[in-house]
Amino acid sequence: GESVGLHLPTLSVQEGDNSIINCAYSNSASDYFIWYKQESGKGPQFIIDIRSNMDKRQGQRVTVLLNKTVKHLSLQIAATQPGDSAVYFCAETPNFNKFYFGSGTKLNVKP
Amino acid sequence: NAGVTQTPKFRVLKTGQSMTLLCAQDMNHEYMYWYRQDPGMGLRLIHYSVGEGTTAKGEVPDGYNVSRLKKQNFLLGLESAAPSQTSVYFCASSYPIGGVTNEKLFFGSGTQLSVL
Repeated sequence: GESVGLHLPTLSVQEGDNSIINCAYSNSASDYFIWYKQESGKGPQFIIDIRSNMDKRQGQRVTVLLNKTVKHLSLQIAATQPGDSAVYFCAETPNFNKFYFGSGTKLNVKP
Repeated sequence: NAGVTQTPKFRVLKTGQSMTLLCAQDMNHEYMYWYRQDPGMGLRLIHYSVGEGTTAKGEVPDGYNVSRLKKQNFLLGLESAAPSQTSVYFCASSYPIGGVTNEKLFFGSGTQLSVL
């Protein structure tokens, strides 16, 4: 079955630095990917998405990169702020009915 | 606009007891999902529904039942709770456009369930 994993379970960065969170996926049929942010005690919130026909997509302070060759996804956060501290999940779907989530990376932003 | 609302927020059960978690969405979404989240793991899909009156199994459906009698509500039932079902449960919904899901899942705030 599908598996979605993260390289680093915890990431600590200095406020103002850029953050990079990585994700690996195993299903080559997946054609849509999402990054979610989950703050303590809350449900996941959508950050940014990317389709398999793209390799880069930018949002406000966030960029998602997709490398289909090695089945790798990354989330880049520019000028990381204390409010960015949360757990970040990547999710993939091959059919839009089911989304498969990674185990999450906890981002700690040090003031 | 409340979005996705889950009740209750917390619950403690004894082994063998039954309960129902309620999820309600006011966004007219067709698709609804139930996930569980365990420490150190990602969200795992329990059951989902692509429309009123229809349900389907996800990755970890055993021990759970669901019903979607109304479009806005998706119920998750535990007939005989087990300690392995201690988890945080999240409901989510999404809206398909032209037969393809509007991929953004909107999540509720979760239900913390402990089974003793």
